[in-house]
Amino acid sequence: AAGVIQSPRHLIKEKRETATLKCYPIPRHDTVYWYQQGPGQDPQFLISFYEKMQSDKGSIPDRFSAQQFSDYHSELNMSSLELGDSALYFCASSLKSNSYNEQFFGPGTRLTVL
Amino acid sequence: AQSVTQPDIHITVSEGASLELRCNYSYGATPYLFWYVQSPGQGLQLLLKYFSGDTLVQGIKGFEAEFKRSQSSFNLRKPSVHWSDAAEYFCAVGPSGYSTLTFGKGTMLLVSP
Repeated sequence: AAGVIQSPRHLIKEKRETATLKCYPIPRHDTVYWYQQGPGQDPQFLISFYEKMQSDKGSIPDRFSAQQFSDYHSELNMSSLELGDSALYFCASSLKSNSYNEQFFGPGTRLTVL
Repeated sequence: AQSVTQPDIHITVSEGASLELRCNYSYGATPYLFWYVQSPGQGLQLLLKYFSGDTLVQGIKGFEAEFKRSQSSFNLRKPSVHWSDAAEYFCAVGPSGYSTLTFGKGTMLLVSP
């Protein structure tokens, strides 16, 4: 079965640079979530989208922005990168009509900021 | 606000021994509960989930979990641990419908020979 795809899998950037992470949800899933997992930490919710509209917002820095496109893929844009942004970024997808809130996670993008 | 507590940061179990990982949640209504496993540098794999009905749920890889409303717990169990089970385990809670998940801090499982 198709899973959530994230690209790139690994990304190395310098401080103050920008980064774009991409997420391709499971086909027919309409909701995308972004989570950030720092070293040794639990995943923290950043932001989510349903039908291309932002639906919920967590602890996402103002330097970050995200959107969901007409094909339901999503991109997380990160600017003015800081050392503390080094983390594993997960995307998850779900189908809103599935009231059980079952989210399927991608493999993550590991961002390293030098 | 919903929250999840995993009181054990690390647990070491001998291969072949039984395992129980603890999870306590705080939520105003009946929560939807999940256990995920994460191998080093890897993504989150869903082990099992509880929505309603039978309070003992079966998952993949021989894992099971029991929902106890009176104790606000959702402990993960496995009767016989294999070396390949060594990983980090996260308990998560989410309200009904589409919404974000709140994760516990995780329990790192080490398996000794």
